[in-house]
Amino acid sequence: GAGVSQSPSNKVTEKGKDVELRCDPISGHTALYWYRQSLGQGLEFLIYFQGNSAPDKSGLPSDRFSAERTGGSVSTLTIQRTQQEDSAVYLCASSLGRGGLEQFFGPGTRLTVL
Amino acid sequence: DQQVKQNSPSLSVQEGRISILNCDYTNSMFDYFLWYKKYPAEGPTFLISISSIKDKNEDGRFTVFLNKSAKHLSLHIVPSQPGDSAVYFCAAWKDSNYQLIWGAGTKLIIKP
Repeated sequence: GAGVSQSPSNKVTEKGKDVELRCDPISGHTALYWYRQSLGQGLEFLIYFQGNSAPDKSGLPSDRFSAERTGGSVSTLTIQRTQQEDSAVYLCASSLGRGGLEQFFGPGTRLTVL
Repeated sequence: DQQVKQNSPSLSVQEGRISILNCDYTNSMFDYFLWYKKYPAEGPTFLISISSIKDKNEDGRFTVFLNKSAKHLSLHIVPSQPGDSAVYFCAAWKDSNYQLIWGAGTKLIIKP
């Protein structure tokens, strides 16, 4: 596809359940980022991938959050035992090369934890 | 601690007039500053950037000004058009960190 895609677009889950969010970056983009945006807040950095490795996981808020990337392409963000404070829009972005300034964003996944 | 601050949650401007969006930062080590624009239900899209060694960058109707001594940057949109109505995010980049640090955004409303 031409842009970054994310699925699902919306996810409603019950507290305590696990969720998996998917990101398909632009073909050829080696850098991939996950962000979280809570209501009225800026984007909060979660994790950065260069290829399949994650040199920076510093933004993951707890050990319930994990992410992987396979084949230098698709990435999944997994949240285990979801809590209500996990409710947010989760955005994925990709860029050319290492730490590209211009990041291309997907439309996001809106996660609601009841 | 917020390294990038956008103190105005919203701004309303008449169509055709100048829109000025402001951003302050605390870390003098940032290498680049960027503005992104976001429409509802879409991801942010890159608008314009400026290197920390410059004080101005212009692209069509959009100009970004950087005042390093005041740790302040601003985005000027002239003339403002209805399609400019969106949330504008200021972001700062440090080469060594590979991270963009984001402000909370300013919602710009262009009135006809």
